[in-house]
Amino acid sequence: GAVVSQHPSRVICKSGTSVKIECRSLDFQATTMFWYRQFPKQSLMLMATSNEGSKATYEQGVEKDKFLINHASLTLSTLTVTSAHPEDSSFYICSAAQPLDTGELFFGEGSRLTVL
Amino acid sequence: GQNIDQPTEMTATEGAIVQINCTYQTSGFNGLFWYQQHAGEAPTFLSYNVLDGLEEKGRFSSFLSRSKGYSYLLLKELQMKDSASYLCAAKDSNYQLIWGAGTKLIIKP
Repeated sequence: GAVVSQHPSRVICKSGTSVKIECRSLDFQATTMFWYRQFPKQSLMLMATSNEGSKATYEQGVEKDKFLINHASLTLSTLTVTSAHPEDSSFYICSAAQPLDTGELFFGEGSRLTVL
Repeated sequence: GQNIDQPTEMTATEGAIVQINCTYQTSGFNGLFWYQQHAGEAPTFLSYNVLDGLEEKGRFSSFLSRSKGYSYLLLKELQMKDSASYLCAAKDSNYQLIWGAGTKLIIKP
């Protein structure tokens, strides 16, 4: 299957700093990527849909100024958590779907963010 | 509103069979997905159903009834490594995935 790589897998930062998470589709071009957040023992929560060359579409309740998404190329999307706070600590997962496919999502490995 | 229901937790014995049910209510329907997620890891794709019936893939099978808004994931010959959460997700008319909360499956020896 298609491969999506996410980096870093774990990051610990101080409150008030910004953290960037990268999501790459390694063997296909992804015009659309999705960013999810998952709190312990809860399901995936879609944060935003990242579209190559245009602005991301954010879900209701997700602050676009806090969670900056950039999809500058067909293989790379980045999520920047700005001015991170302890409540932003979570598991962040990106995914992409191959075009002209069943719509199956291929997930990155996930990034566990801990804000001290 | 849109909703996906699946049991929170199930327990089964190694070597046995378990069926995880999922019911969905969505605005339109464009397919039903099952994903497996081990603790601390990202989900991995298991199956996709868009037509009624049973899709078999090795030890795992998935069933769909669109008229009933119902699907199940059937796991046979359970192994300890099958202990994980199983996520049901339905794609609505806008092709957006609506996720269930997941079913935590515990396998006992």
